Amino acid sequence: GQNIDQPTEMTATEGAIVQINCTYQTSGFNGLFWYQQHAGEAPTFLSYNVLDGLEEKGRFSSFLSRSKGYSYLLLKELQMKDSASYLCAVMDSNYQLIWGAGTKLIIKP
Amino acid sequence: NAGVMQNPRHLVRRRGQEARLRCSPMKGHSHVYWYRQLPEEGLKFMVYLQKENIIDESGMPKERFSAEFPKEGPSILRIQQVVRGDSAAYFCASSPGEKNTEAFFGQGTRLTVV
Repeated sequence: GQNIDQPTEMTATEGAIVQINCTYQTSGFNGLFWYQQHAGEAPTFLSYNVLDGLEEKGRFSSFLSRSKGYSYLLLKELQMKDSASYLCAVMDSNYQLIWGAGTKLIIKP
Repeated sequence: NAGVMQNPRHLVRRRGQEARLRCSPMKGHSHVYWYRQLPEEGLKFMVYLQKENIIDESGMPKERFSAEFPKEGPSILRIQQVVRGDSAAYFCASSPGEKNTEAFFGQGTRLTVV
């Protein structure tokens, strides 16, 4: 079966760095996405990785290792507004997105 | 350029009633995806449609649920004879092409069955 695993909840301090991990097992692979979702709102796109390595975009970076079925989202210089759920999703061989349950990130002052 | 528009944002239905959820994709997007999200859970794929065609409905329950994307007008997700377990947030996403790499999400419809 297809499976996406990520921690349920993480807590970090304002100004610090946090890494949210995601492991996956899917039928085929056409890329991995990270989305941010604030409570009661739509998911918003953060990053897309299809090749191994690190993609940096401002305070957010995303890493992918296809051989290990592993990705992480790195958030630097955390701000209170970064409190949200972070969803990992993998696009399978049919170009369908398989979603993880999301990691709820709590930022403390 | 308006984003993906879903309405209503909130919908309350009594058990046994019908729920109709609407999604207007972004301008220029002809591919629509519907997802369901239960509280504290990830999004679950329901159905993928193009204009006048259902491409993949593997995530749709076999009974009571149907979806359409007519030539004119929004995509409709229809739930007949709703039950309490249908209470969830229903998100629509649209993309310009079939590979879904540029999918944008609507604000969702929160369905509450009482």
